[in-house]
Amino acid sequence: DQQVKQNSPSLSVQEGRISILNCDYTNSMFDYFLWYKKYPAEGPTFLISISSIKDKNEDGRFTVFLNKSAKHLSLHIVPSQPGDSAVYFCAASGNQFYFGTGTSLTVIP
Amino acid sequence: DGGITQSPKYLFRKEGQNVTLSCEQNLNHDAMYWYRQDPGQGLRLIYYSQIVNDFQKGDIAEGYSVSREKKESFPLTVTSAQKNPTAFYLCASSIVWGQGHYEQYFGPGTRLTVT
Repeated sequence: DQQVKQNSPSLSVQEGRISILNCDYTNSMFDYFLWYKKYPAEGPTFLISISSIKDKNEDGRFTVFLNKSAKHLSLHIVPSQPGDSAVYFCAASGNQFYFGTGTSLTVIP
Repeated sequence: DGGITQSPKYLFRKEGQNVTLSCEQNLNHDAMYWYRQDPGQGLRLIYYSQIVNDFQKGDIAEGYSVSREKKESFPLTVTSAQKNPTAFYLCASSIVWGQGHYEQYFGPGTRLTVT
């Protein structure tokens, strides 16, 4: 049973515009959420995280928003760059890490 | 440089053969993990180890075995009992295991193809 879901398998965005990647979770006990970026044939790399006591965390062009009541988090990338093209996984930390299925982002130059 | 290494990057085996994937970390992390990634799916947990000489089954452990004799090393054996072994395998580590605010660090992965 998928406890972390990314319902959009892919997303295309024009360079310079905002990319918004979404993630939903089912377990209200999760208290730490992460986003990873993954290039083909490579391991995921940690991008940004947020604790459940916050609703927003920013790091440069990347911002993660958490809506606990809706059990929803999103990653905003502004402005999007071609090098951002990758698969993005959201993850939630409970007694283990639970990963979503990923969203493939393509930033069009 | 601290990190996680996995070798080899690509591995080819005949059906019916066991194969062992290597994972080494020099981050001094207690916990290590093995995941499998298939197209269109997330990362599925095969095995994890909280500490040396201890390991636990994850969600899809059938057909796999592991050992954790040293803190730095967590090899995964894909046995002939694994029905669909062709996949991309990822090793990860974290400073601790369990609920908390920390990230997992991933190795570069091994693509295993069994024919």
